[in-house]
Amino acid sequence: QVQLQESGPGLVKPSETLSLTCSVSGDSFSSYYWSWIRQPPGKGPEWIGNIYYTGSTNYNPSLKSRVFISLDTSKNQFSLRLSSVTAADTAVYYCASTPSGSYGHFDYWGQGTLVTVSS
Amino acid sequence: DIQMTQSPSSLSASVGDRVTITCRASQSINSYLNWYQQKPGKAPKLLIYAASTLQSGVPSRFSGSGSGTDFTLTISSLQPEDFATYYCQQSYSTPRTFGQGTKLEIK
Repeated sequence: QVQLQESGPGLVKPSETLSLTCSVSGDSFSSYYWSWIRQPPGKGPEWIGNIYYTGSTNYNPSLKSRVFISLDTSKNQFSLRLSSVTAADTAVYYCASTPSGSYGHFDYWGQGTLVTVSS
Repeated sequence: DIQMTQSPSSLSASVGDRVTITCRASQSINSYLNWYQQKPGKAPKLLIYAASTLQSGVPSRFSGSGSGTDFTLTISSLQPEDFATYYCQQSYSTPRTFGQGTKLEIK
């Protein structure tokens, strides 16, 4: 069983960079792909991207120019940076896990953290 | 990107009813289809993966079927705790994409 917990500022100014960290506990960090997913108020989820323990990443092309996902295996954490944010980036941000070699489903999720973009 | 379209967008039903939600992919995704349940203020919860495999701990009244482009989620006998929003998600290719959701409400 995996537990995930997001942390980071809940308010970011327009044009600045959103930074979040996901702390992972429970299972082996190297057995999963680690994703960031966001959900604007009243809308469906949107996959932002993922990272494997090797450091290999995949990003959603719609956000690729602004997104960077990294990991710190010594701390069992992975992080999201989203630059040049606008009000459209206001959403609940989740981190989630996908078992390596699986069908690609998100089996565990963090509780989510609301990030509001506003001056 | 693969587009996922769910129907209906909302559904009213009663406790004990049998309910079916449909998800259609814009291209074939084999069986790379997953279903989630989301309650207000909570993260989505995995119900079914690989189109028909029940996630551990999920009640057997939930079932999934389909392959290719057309998929269904069935709840055989609705319980009060099942009233929520349901999302399908494809994991055939990146970017991973979700349906727009089906809100299941009490009649």
